[in-house]
Amino acid sequence: QKEVEQDPGPLSVPEGAIVSLNCTYSNSAFQYFMWYRQYSRKGPELLMYTYSSGNKEDGRFTAQVDKSSKYISLFIRDSQPSDSATYLCAPKGSSGTYKYIFGTGTRLKVLA
Amino acid sequence: NAGVMQNPRHLVRRRGQEARLRCSPMKGHSHVYWYRQLPEEGLKFMVYLQKENIIDESGMPKERFSAEFPKEGPSILRIQQVVRGDSAAYFCASLPSGQLLSGANVLTFGAGSRLTVL
Repeated sequence: QKEVEQDPGPLSVPEGAIVSLNCTYSNSAFQYFMWYRQYSRKGPELLMYTYSSGNKEDGRFTAQVDKSSKYISLFIRDSQPSDSATYLCAPKGSSGTYKYIFGTGTRLKVLA
Repeated sequence: NAGVMQNPRHLVRRRGQEARLRCSPMKGHSHVYWYRQLPEEGLKFMVYLQKENIIDESGMPKERFSAEFPKEGPSILRIQQVVRGDSAAYFCASLPSGQLLSGANVLTFGAGSRLTVL
């Protein structure tokens, strides 16, 4: 079983749609849950992160973690063509651990 | 403040040649990671280095691959006797000194070096 599983997509949605991107993970020691966004031919950049279970909102983006089911979600409201990118989840262990494990990424295309 | 700088951005090599990829971390960053990304695959951890030390190279193939991060100068990922399967994007990421103890370590990535092996 992979440590982090993510549907690779591609996922195509019309502009303005609500997008739901998801990851599952197997290591219960993960405590920090990052979402990175990667545009084509670019390096990943941090979008947002959450600690432990719960929700975090940042503008049109909401990250959600359910540690009991080891399920991570990223919601995008009012999606825009500029949101078209690959979204990678990256859970991480506690302070002092250094290893990031990335999901395969979900390719999102928002159609104008 | 320049970000993480990687060069070359594109590199073409013939089978059997050597590829050398360079990464200059952000100013003040002393932790460097190298990741490999194949088409339709995620980022695969290769190696984690601090200045003059390899901390974890568990993701790096035992043969032909090596990495270093000298006291002065960029980090280098070296691939000897390249094969077609080495064709990929190689990303470098860095962390500030001391941030390792902070739980939410935020990796800053470079734009990547794309290696094509003919």
